[in-house]
Amino acid sequence: LAKTTQPISMDSYEGQEVNITCSHNNIATNDYITWYQQFPSQGPRFIIQGYKTKVTNEVASLFIPADRKSSTLSLPRVSLSDTAVYYCLVGDSDYKLSFGAGTTVTVRA
Amino acid sequence: DAGVTQSPTHLIKTRGQQVTLRCSPKSGHDTVSWYQQALGQGPQFIFQYYEEEERQRGNFPDRFSGHQFPNYSSELNVNALLLGDSALYLCASSRDGGLTYEQYFGPGTRLTVT
Repeated sequence: LAKTTQPISMDSYEGQEVNITCSHNNIATNDYITWYQQFPSQGPRFIIQGYKTKVTNEVASLFIPADRKSSTLSLPRVSLSDTAVYYCLVGDSDYKLSFGAGTTVTVRA
Repeated sequence: DAGVTQSPTHLIKTRGQQVTLRCSPKSGHDTVSWYQQALGQGPQFIFQYYEEEERQRGNFPDRFSGHQFPNYSSELNVNALLLGDSALYLCASSRDGGLTYEQYFGPGTRLTVT
C-alpha cells in the first residue's frame, strides 16, 4: 500500500505563501497526484491535480519533479480562512489509493 | 448542479448490527469511491465502483461491501458492526479518468457504533 508522508503541521501568517510537500515513493506510473483541503466535519474539497511538472489554478500551484516521488502544494497569500487540513492523494503501483495523514495549516493574523 | 450527496447525515447503531449508507454522485460522474475517516486521521480508501463493478479495494474486511446502480448511485454496506467502525464515511465521485481523477467528496455520514 502506498505510503504518503507530509508534515504534521505548519504555521503561517496572513499574506504569506505556504508550501506543503508530500512524499510518495511508490506512486503508480500512470496516476495523478491530487491535493485536498478539509475543514472540521466536512468532506475534503478538491484543490488541484497534476501528473507532472507544474499546474496552476486560481487557488494554488502544484509542483511535481520528474521522478514524481514527491509533490509540493503552494498556496499564495494565505488568509485566515485557509486554516484547514491539507491532504495529498495518490494511487500506488498496486492501484490502491492512499491519503497522507494530512498537514494542519494554521494561518494567524 | 447538485454536488455529491450522502444519506443519512448521522447514524447510531449497536454492535453486531448492519448498516447501509447511500451516495448520489455529482452530475456527469460515473465513478464512486468510498472512504472511512476516523477522528483525527486521514481518509482510508475502502473501494471504488465503476460500471457497477468494484474496481479497486483497500485493506478492509469482507464485512464492508458495496453496490453501484445503473444511475451511478452507490451504497456501502457494513455487516456485524464493531465499535471500531465508528467513523465518518465519505463518498467521492469522479468522471472515469484513472483511480484518483478529480474526486469530489460528499459531506459524509457520521456513524456511531455503541
